Formats: sequence, C-alpha cells, structure tokens
Amino acid sequence: AQKITQTQPGMFVQEKEAVTLDCTYDTSDQSYGLFWYKQPSSGEMIFLIYQGSYDEQNATEGRYSLNFQKARKSANLVISASQLGDSAMYFCAMREGQAGSYIPTFGRGTSLIVHP
Amino acid sequence: DTGVSQNPRHKITKRGQNVTFRCDPISEHNRLYWYRQTLGQGPEFLTYFQNEAQLEKSRLLSDRFSAERPKGSFSTLEIQRTEQGDSAMYLCASSSGEGVTRTDTQYFGPGTRLTVL
Repeated sequence: AQKITQTQPGMFVQEKEAVTLDCTYDTSDQSYGLFWYKQPSSGEMIFLIYQGSYDEQNATEGRYSLNFQKARKSANLVISASQLGDSAMYFCAMREGQAGSYIPTFGRGTSLIVHP
Repeated sequence: DTGVSQNPRHKITKRGQNVTFRCDPISEHNRLYWYRQTLGQGPEFLTYFQNEAQLEKSRLLSDRFSAERPKGSFSTLEIQRTEQGDSAMYLCASSSGEGVTRTDTQYFGPGTRLTVL
C-alpha cells in the first residue's frame, strides 16, 4: 500500500485565489512527521512546511498552511492568495517513528498551475 | 550561498560508462541523503549517511551504485556500467540531525540530471 497518496495529478487555480492540495498517508506509528515540498521546473526541492503528529495546532508558514486531520490521516496543503510563481510540482512526504527510521516517503506529487 | 550544492548539474553519458556525482551539504549538517527521481514520480530514497557512516541503503541501490562520505562532509555517488534505466534526476539532501527524527527537515540540492544514451 502507498504510504503517501496524492490523488490530484494536476490542479489549476486563478491568481490570488486559494487552492488546496490533497495528501493522505498511511502509518501505524503514533509518532510521525509530515512535510510539503515545492519543486519548480528548475528541479530543486524547496521545503515549505512541517506538521508533527503530536502538534495540536495546524502548521502555518506565511501563505502556506497545513490542514491536518489526524483521524482521517490527511495533511492537505492550503496555499492562500496564489501567485504565478507558485506554479510547480508539490510533494507530500512523511517520516515515521521517533528513532531509527530516517527514510522519508514521498508521494507522486501534484502539478499546480496558477494562471492570471 | 550556504545551501546544498550538487555537481555536475547535467551529465550525458553512453551506456556502460561510469559516472560520479558530488554533493556538498549545508555545513554542519551531519545527515546526508541521496534520492533518485524519475519523471512523474516523487523522490525515491537511495542511501543515507550520518557523518561518514552509511547507515541505510535502499534495495534500489544495486551493486553498480556506490556512495561515500569519507570525511563526513561532501559525498559522492558513483554509478558503474551505466544503463539507460539509470537516466533520472539524482537529488542530494542534508539535515541537521538535531531533535527527533520526525522533525528533522531535509534541505535539497538542485539535483544532477543524468541521461544515459
């Protein structure tokens, strides 16, 4: 079974509007971390936001926020006030366990296109 | 620039040749990771170092692949007898290793795009 599932291969949003990118995960651990990365066409993976499984508040970083629903095992990324420069691939990733498991698992990504 | 750097950015080689990539992590980051990414996929873990020790290798890392981090700073990834299926983006990431694993954020380099003809 996929540990990280991103069901939206592609998303379109109009500039200045908000968009939600979906991510569901599968783990039996109680302790895990969830990450979102942005990958522009240049190829570099840019860290956006982190959510820990024990964090009570949803993570926010500027225009990025994470809608964390633990019971549903979902960690959706919300981008507010989209900008043309937000056009990129977006990857959700998970790291499990408090020690020993250093291997993060990435989803297949969602391509976001922001149009004027 | 204090980010992760990778060289070369692009490599074109003929099948059967050996290639070597270099990764320079963020200074003082003690963890270093190599990933492979093919078109339409997320990064796939290859191997991981804590300082100079290689602690984890994926089964994706065949015996044609070898990685080193001799002094716990930069790392090299060598592919021997390249095959067309090795064509991919090879990404390097580093993390500080502080705190618990689940919070240990990785920072990625720009990648090396390998094309095997």
